Amino acid sequence: GAVVSQHPSWVICKSGTSVKIECRSLDFQATTMFWYRQFPKQSLMLMATSNEGSKATYEQGVEKDKFLINHASLTLSTLTVTSAHPEDSSFYICSAPVVTDTQYFGPGTRLTVL
Amino acid sequence: AQSVTQPDIHITVSEGASLELRCNYSYGATPYLFWYVQSPGQGLQLLLKYFSGDTLVQGIKGFEAEFKRSQSSFNLRKPSVHWSDAAEYFCAVGRTNFGNEKLTFGTGTRLTIIP
Repeated sequence: GAVVSQHPSWVICKSGTSVKIECRSLDFQATTMFWYRQFPKQSLMLMATSNEGSKATYEQGVEKDKFLINHASLTLSTLTVTSAHPEDSSFYICSAPVVTDTQYFGPGTRLTVL
Repeated sequence: AQSVTQPDIHITVSEGASLELRCNYSYGATPYLFWYVQSPGQGLQLLLKYFSGDTLVQGIKGFEAEFKRSQSSFNLRKPSVHWSDAAEYFCAVGRTNFGNEKLTFGTGTRLTIIP
């Protein structure tokens, strides 16, 4: 199956700083990527849809100025958590769909904000 | 709006025993149903999916699931679990069978295997 990577796998940052998370489709091109957030013992919540060549589409309740998404190429999408605070600590997961197949998920990035 | 309920937060099963993980969905039209497994350090992996046709769906790693429209359920089963099956399992529902469909996930069931 297709492979999606995320970098970093784990990041710790101080409150008020910004953190960038990368999502790459390694062996296929993805014009769309999804970004999810997962709280402990809870479900994956879709945050936004990243679109190559256009603006991201955010789900209701997600602050677009807080979570900046850039779909730089057909294999790379980045999520930047700006001015991070402890409540932003979470597990962030991306996926890259193959329209005729399914979504392929990255291994996730654990963000801890001190 | 669609929703998914996984009633069991945590299940413990002996190795070699059978397994059933429950999933109930709420959706007004024909649902497209999925089961994913999440292991530490790995991305969610698709176990199986149901779109139409035979209500008993076979997946990878020896898993199967049965779609029961009357009960709004899509339970995952395995006749004999292996220690490597210990993981988090998520049921999900979508509106279409396209890979770029937005999915709604359940809260997951953590499976522990005891020797």
